[in-house]
Amino acid sequence: EVQLVESGGGLVQPGGSLRLSCGASGFTFRTYSMHWVRQAPGKGLEYVSAINDNGGSTYYASSVKGRFTISRDNSRNTLYLQMGGLKTEDMAVYYCARGVGSGSYLDYWGQGTLVIVSS
Amino acid sequence: QSALPQPASLSGSPGQSITISCTGTSFDVGGYNFVSWYQQHPGKAPKLIIYDVSKRPSGVSNRFSGSKSGNTASLTISGLQAEDEADYYCSSYTSSTTFWVFGGGTKLTVL
Repeated sequence: EVQLVESGGGLVQPGGSLRLSCGASGFTFRTYSMHWVRQAPGKGLEYVSAINDNGGSTYYASSVKGRFTISRDNSRNTLYLQMGGLKTEDMAVYYCARGVGSGSYLDYWGQGTLVIVSS
Repeated sequence: QSALPQPASLSGSPGQSITISCTGTSFDVGGYNFVSWYQQHPGKAPKLIIYDVSKRPSGVSNRFSGSKSGNTASLTISGLQAEDEADYYCSSYTSSTTFWVFGGGTKLTVL
């Protein structure tokens, strides 16, 4: 059974940093692209970042470029999102998801981890 | 990249059919067959229900169907059921940012 479990969310002050993790199991992690998607309270979904299967290519939404860094450790079946320079508008539930196919549709999602940015 | 426009809300009665539209441009919806749709119930993670415009993942009811005409993608739900009440999001790859974009979401109410 495919499972994605996010962790690392919590309360952080504006300007602070946080690292999210996503542990994967039930599939060959190193053969799939992985994505981070977020959802602010009461709002819609927003793509945040993506990384290809071997970690050689990364993608970022313009809203986080230069502040967030996506990475993966295929030996540990774990995806990461290092977040810096956090703003109140970054407050959201962050989901990791598995990407499949040329269009990278997201076929499995984690349960999400909440990031609260507040002083 | 702004969210792809979707109707904010729709409603229908059990047994009826409804169609949710997702309007893009030639840089996203119209230019690629990489449109997917997600269903999200309150407090839950999104669930993939349509990918590559019209394909259904295993286990998804055949009451859900997808299509595309020009720059507009559509999700049709036939034979509405109470459990279909949820938020629905389209998504597409976009060459304008070489990334992906979601629609703004449509809240479906089953009366």
